[in-house]
Amino acid sequence: DAGVTQSPTHLIKTRGQQVTLRCSPKSGHDTVSWYQQALGQGPQFIFQYYEEEERQRGNFPDRFSGHQFPNYSSELNVNALLLGDSALYLCASRTGTGAYEQYFGPGTRLTVT
Amino acid sequence: AQKVTQAQTEISVVEKEDVTLDCVYETRDTTYYLFWYKQPPSGELVFLIRRNSFDEQNEISGRYSWNFQKSTSSFNFTITASQVVDSAVYFCALSEVSNYQLIWGAGTKLIIKP
Repeated sequence: DAGVTQSPTHLIKTRGQQVTLRCSPKSGHDTVSWYQQALGQGPQFIFQYYEEEERQRGNFPDRFSGHQFPNYSSELNVNALLLGDSALYLCASRTGTGAYEQYFGPGTRLTVT
Repeated sequence: AQKVTQAQTEISVVEKEDVTLDCVYETRDTTYYLFWYKQPPSGELVFLIRRNSFDEQNEISGRYSWNFQKSTSSFNFTITASQVVDSAVYFCALSEVSNYQLIWGAGTKLIIKP
C-alpha cells in the first residue's frame, strides 16, 4: 500500500519563475493538504483540497494556488517566486475533512535563488 | 486564538535515559484534537498519536507515553529508555473542530547520544 508520494524531491528555481509541485495521496484518502516548512520551523498550512475544491486556506498570498484531480492527486503552484519561498513543501492526505490523522509525504525541497 | 508552544528547542540525552517533551496549547474551543508527529532527518513527518479533548486518559505505546492534562493545557510526550533512532524533531499540533487546520508548535529537536 503506497503512502503519500511527492515529486520532485528537490527543485531549484530563480526569482520570478513559476513552479508546480505534485502529490499523490495515500490509497483510500480523498483529502489533500499542503504545508510550507521553513528551515527550523514547524509546518505552515497553505490550503486543503477535497472533492476537487479548495476548502480551507491559510495565510498565504494568491501566488500560491492549487488543484485537485478526480483521482485525488493534487498540484501546488507558486507564481512569481521569491527568495522567501525557499522551503520544504509537504503534502498530507487523509480521509474526509475532519480532525483525522494526516499522513505526510517526504516533501519537495524548493530552493529559490 | 489557537497556539501551540513547545518551549524546549533542543534536548540532548544519553541513550537509555528517559526524556519528556513538553507541549502547551491555547484554544477557545471545548472540542479539539491534539497530535504528535516525528520528523526524522529524512524530512517525512510521521504520525504518532491523536487525542481528543474529551479523553484525558494517558496512553502508552511501547516506549512512548503521553500525558494529557486539560487543567494545565498540556500534552506532554515521554520516551522511556531512549534509543539513538529516536533522534528527530518532534512536533505537537492542535486542531479545532471549528477549523480543522493543524496548528503546529515550533518543534523540539531531540538528540540521543550513544
